Amino acid sequence: NAGVIQTPRHKVTGKGQEATLWCEPISGHSAVFWYRQTIVQGLEFLTYFRNQAPIDDSGMPKERFSAQMPNQSHSTLKIQSTQPQDSAVYLCASSSHWYQDTQYFGPGTRLLVL
Amino acid sequence: GQQVKQSSPSLTVQEGGISILNCDYENDMFDYFAWYKKYPDNSPTLLISVRSNVDKREDGRLTVFLNKSGKHFSLHITASQPEDTAVYLCAAPQGGSAKLIFGEGTKLTVSS
Repeated sequence: NAGVIQTPRHKVTGKGQEATLWCEPISGHSAVFWYRQTIVQGLEFLTYFRNQAPIDDSGMPKERFSAQMPNQSHSTLKIQSTQPQDSAVYLCASSSHWYQDTQYFGPGTRLLVL
Repeated sequence: GQQVKQSSPSLTVQEGGISILNCDYENDMFDYFAWYKKYPDNSPTLLISVRSNVDKREDGRLTVFLNKSGKHFSLHITASQPEDTAVYLCAAPQGGSAKLIFGEGTKLTVSS
């Protein structure tokens, strides 16, 4: 079991560019979560999917952030027109069951927007 | 507002002592409470969790105490070791949802 896989591990973009982050959840897990970690805000929820369906995107900045899960083996988080304040570690997690279950986190993607 | 709050950003404990980490929450609909451990430059990993139908759960050196009337839960680590040095994050899912609301974290340092 390789755990949750996230690529790339590091990404540097210029202001205004697009960034796409990838997540491969643990095989067989039904729920996939995206979180963002910064020194100022700590660990914040962004969005999650259950059985590939988007369930809650209440943490997503509405205009530039989007997430998809086209199949059970991967999810993407896309940030359009990146801004310096988007710099953070983006963490993907998956869990076997969607509720009250252990969330297993990937290693994260460290995004730096210059 | 911050629904899950850890008021102590740091804690230092002597090796062999008891580490007590605290977390307060606002929403009395929370029914699942978790503690995650995070090393620098690593992702959080679940240490222990408890559902709201119990007041206490033990697992080896770890014990979670839940005080529902006080909207408070804590993690006790007995016989603290230097390898326990890490950031500890408390978390609870927002009412009926799977998404976790995390506290700010407490950096525990166990000195030898």
